[in-house]
Amino acid sequence: ETGVTQSPTHLIKTRGQQVTLRCSSQSGHNTVSWYQQALGQGPQFIFQYYREEENGRGNFPPRFSGLQFPNYSSELNVNALELDDSALYLCASSFDRYSGANVLTFGAGSRLTVL
Amino acid sequence: GESVGLHLPTLSVQEGDNSIINCAYSNSASDYFIWYKQESGKGPQFIIDIRSNMDKRQGQRVTVLLNKTVKHLSLQIAATQPGDSAVYFCAEISGGGADGLTFGKGTHLIIQP
Repeated sequence: ETGVTQSPTHLIKTRGQQVTLRCSSQSGHNTVSWYQQALGQGPQFIFQYYREEENGRGNFPPRFSGLQFPNYSSELNVNALELDDSALYLCASSFDRYSGANVLTFGAGSRLTVL
Repeated sequence: GESVGLHLPTLSVQEGDNSIINCAYSNSASDYFIWYKQESGKGPQFIIDIRSNMDKRQGQRVTVLLNKTVKHLSLQIAATQPGDSAVYFCAEISGGGADGLTFGKGTHLIIQP
């Protein structure tokens, strides 16, 4: 059984650029969530995808968008990067929409630095 | 807004001692709580969870206590080992989960030999 894998592990962008982060869900999981973790902070919920549709969203602007593909892999896209977007971006998968009964499996994250 | 927070940013304990990590939450609608462990360079790893209709749950070397009266959650780790060194987060969820997990800021547990 494979876990959640994310790519790239590290990347550096400049302000105003766009970035795409990728996530491969754990086998058998059909729901994916993305979280932003600033240095020294807890993760913050960005959004969740279930069956290729956004199923819930945190307090993040529209320039944060996502996709979920039929094979349940996922992308997080961030447009018009700002310095404050520098963070660790975590992908988490679960079986079925998170209802409190399902355990999230997190990937190791993609470390984004915006200069 | 409502949030989940932790009392201490850093906790240092002797190897073999018991550790207690605390968490305060303010959302009275929270109905499910989870403790995660995050080691350097890794994503959060599930430790133990508890529903709001329970006040105690035990796992292997870990116990979670929930006091809904004062909105307090704690994680007890018995016989702390060097491998327990990590940042520990409490997280809560309410309703159907469409708002995702709300994490606290974390407590860094340091194990001294």
